[in-house]
Amino acid sequence: QKEVEQDPGPLSVPEGAIVSLNCTYSNSAFQYFMWYRQYSRKGPELLMYTYSSGNKEDGRFTAQVDKSSKYISLFIRDSQPSDSATYLCAIRRSQGNLIFGKGTKLSVKP
Amino acid sequence: GAGVSQSPSNKVTEKGKDVELRCDPISGHTALYWYRQSLGQGLEFLIYFQGNSAPDKSGLPSDRFSAERTGGSVSTLTIQRTQQEDSAVYLCASSLVQLGFTGELFFGEGSRLTVL
Repeated sequence: QKEVEQDPGPLSVPEGAIVSLNCTYSNSAFQYFMWYRQYSRKGPELLMYTYSSGNKEDGRFTAQVDKSSKYISLFIRDSQPSDSATYLCAIRRSQGNLIFGKGTKLSVKP
Repeated sequence: GAGVSQSPSNKVTEKGKDVELRCDPISGHTALYWYRQSLGQGLEFLIYFQGNSAPDKSGLPSDRFSAERTGGSVSTLTIQRTQQEDSAVYLCASSLVQLGFTGELFFGEGSRLTVL
């Protein structure tokens, strides 16, 4: 089993929709969870991070971690065309590096 | 510079040739990471440096791949005897310390390698 799994999509939604992006992971010892956003032909940029379980909100974005089911989610409210990008979940390993999901390509149609 | 700089941005080479990819991290960032991104494979960890040493090189796919970092700054990723499966975007990232609390890596725009 891979350490982190993410459905690559693609996902297409109309402007204003609520978007739900998800990843699962295998190692219950993981504590730090991140979401990166990558625009076409650019490097990924950190969007949000969470520690352990719970929710974290930043504007239209909410990151959620459920450690009991080893499931992490990113919700985008009132999605905008400018949100069109690839979203990658990432988990910090004990060795210090990040492992990434394959990324979900999101397209928000005006 | 203000961000992570990578060169070349694009490289087309013939199978069997050696290539060198360069990364210039954000000034003062002690940790440097190399990742590879290819279609269907996502972002694959290759190696990371803390200063000039590489505590984790577990992601290097074969002994054709090597990397070094000098002066705690610039890093070079070398691929010898390139194969078509090496075609990918090679991304470099740096962070102020070994993954500070936020887990924020600052990525360059990548070097796109095509092996014919």
